[in-house]
Parts: sequence; structure tokens; C-alpha cells
Amino acid sequence: AQSVTQLGSHVSVSEGALVLLRCNYSSSVPPYLFWYVQYPNQGLQLLLKYTSAATLVKGINGFEAEFKKSETSFHLTKPSAHMSDAAEYFCAVSKYGNKLVFGAGTILRVKS
Amino acid sequence: SQTIHQWPATLVQPVGSPLSLECTVEGTSNPNLYWYRQAAGRGLQLLFYSVGIGQISSEVPQNLSASRPQDRQFILSSKKLLLSDSGFYLCAWSGSYEETQYFGPGTRLLVL
Repeated sequence: AQSVTQLGSHVSVSEGALVLLRCNYSSSVPPYLFWYVQYPNQGLQLLLKYTSAATLVKGINGFEAEFKKSETSFHLTKPSAHMSDAAEYFCAVSKYGNKLVFGAGTILRVKS
Repeated sequence: SQTIHQWPATLVQPVGSPLSLECTVEGTSNPNLYWYRQAAGRGLQLLFYSVGIGQISSEVPQNLSASRPQDRQFILSSKKLLLSDSGFYLCAWSGSYEETQYFGPGTRLLVL
């Protein structure tokens, strides 16, 4: 069965520092993987997705993620954090029947 | 382009009262539709999904029900609200044979 683990429910970085949000997945078949961002009191916005093409996926707002099959990971990174990146981030893996399994989320705090 | 609407944005209801939340999608046909709940401090819980008019699958037993009276309309209902029904309700859609889900702005429900 597919599952997702996000390491760290809260991550704090300084403005301008590297952002690294961790996601490990479990899937019995080659997965589709997603990162979503949620700002307070808003819906989820798709940041990027991996669909078995290039292993390095670039998304919106300067984020990217690398699919590593050997590590079953799909970590999200951004070279330089901005105050506007403060939000909650969710990793998700596709499940059969067009359903997604979401991780518990990681709240990113950006310090000035 | 496709858009997804939810209303109301915020709702305060007494325990035991009925509930009706509406979600509509524009710019696409025959979408898959999903209802999620996000309780405070918890991740996303898939409540219902639908692959077509009148076709509803329930993911977890609960005090809620869903209906899809039209192709692009998805309704979440309850006959009698419980305190535990409080949360942030998100509707999402995906293409018929696609995994990527796109979320609406959400409805904040507070049951008192």
C-alpha cells in the first residue's frame, strides 16, 4: 500500500537560507509524487509533480524536488528562502483509483 | 482554464443542525471530484470521491454524506452536525484519467 512520511512537522530557516523539506514514500508500483503548498485558510496549491519523466522536477516559486528511487525519497528544496514561503507543505503519492495519499504536512517558518 | 469554487467560505453552525457545502468546477467535463477534511493539527482526510454523476464512494464511516447531482457539482451534507465535524473542508477535482488533483479555496466549519 502506498504511504508517505514527512520528516519534521515544523522546519525553521532564516531568510536567504536553503529550504529542505523531507518526504519518503512507500509504493509497490512506480509512483506519481506531488508537493502541495497551503497558505493559512486557503486550499492546497500544486507546487510540482513527478510522473516518471526527469528525476529532477522544477516547480513554481523556485522550488524543485528530486526523485531518488534507491532512497524512496522525494525531498523538496529551494536555494534561498523568502518570507513568502512560510506555509504548510504536503507531500503526496498516487494511490490506485486516482486517489492521493498525503503526508502529515510540514510547517515552514522563515525567520527574518 | 479550469476553476473550482466552494461556498460558503465560513460557516458557524449549532450542534444538531443540518449542513450543506457546495463545490462546483468550471472549464472541464466529467471530472473526478473529492471531499477532504482537515482538522486542526492534522493532515488531510479523504471523505468521499466521485467518478461520475450519482457515483459516490465513501472512504470513512461518519456523520456526513455526499451527492453529485450534476457533472461538475459536488455537495457535502449532514442531517445533524456533531462537534467533531468542525474543520476545514476542501473540495478537489482531477481529470478522468489523471492523478493530479486541484483544490478549491475551502470552507471553514465551526460547530458549536
